[in-house]
Amino acid sequence: SQQGEEDPQALSIQEGENATMNCSYKTSINNLQWYRQNSGRGLVHLILIRSNEREKHSGRLRVTLDTSKKSSSLLITASRAADTASYFCATEDPLYAGKSTFGDGTTLTVKP
Amino acid sequence: DAMVIQNPRYQVTQFGKPVTLSCSQTLNHNVMYWYQQKSSQAPKLLFHYYDKDFNNEADTPDNFQSRRPNTSFCFLDIRSPGLGDAAMYLCATSRDLAEETQYFGPGTRLLVL
Repeated sequence: SQQGEEDPQALSIQEGENATMNCSYKTSINNLQWYRQNSGRGLVHLILIRSNEREKHSGRLRVTLDTSKKSSSLLITASRAADTASYFCATEDPLYAGKSTFGDGTTLTVKP
Repeated sequence: DAMVIQNPRYQVTQFGKPVTLSCSQTLNHNVMYWYQQKSSQAPKLLFHYYDKDFNNEADTPDNFQSRRPNTSFCFLDIRSPGLGDAAMYLCATSRDLAEETQYFGPGTRLLVL
């Protein structure tokens, strides 16, 4: 299965702390994307990192990709209560264009 | 401005009663997807359209059908909903298939009584 697995399943931190979430996958990928989902809402795209990239930044977000370990991490710095959400990684199957497989997600709670 | 719109946001249906969920987009994207997401689980791809070409996932039940009458609209038809079909249904679009960001609608939560 191509499915990403994320850890931890749940993470609770104080406002201002950093939050790190990890995603592992099983086979080769074209790219890996991180999405955020507020409770009961649709997903919002955060960052796409291609298989030939190692690190990307966007505001308070930093994503790394290690294709040798088949893993990625999402770091949110200086977290805010508004960052409370579920975070999913999604991998694109290089053999099946259009199919992104999502991990089970990490639920992040940022306490004010 | 809403780019991917799903109606209704909440849908209640009876066991076995056909139901249709609607998705529209203002992005003029080629690809539209339907996902099923059950509580605390990953979104699961049901099928997608690339323009008019329909691509069904191998494990999508026959109970689920889709129509895309034009670029802007895509429908999910559940012919005979069972209790196990209660879930959030997410519509997404992307400009193309490979290496493309998907833009999600807010979802329709389906309850089956």
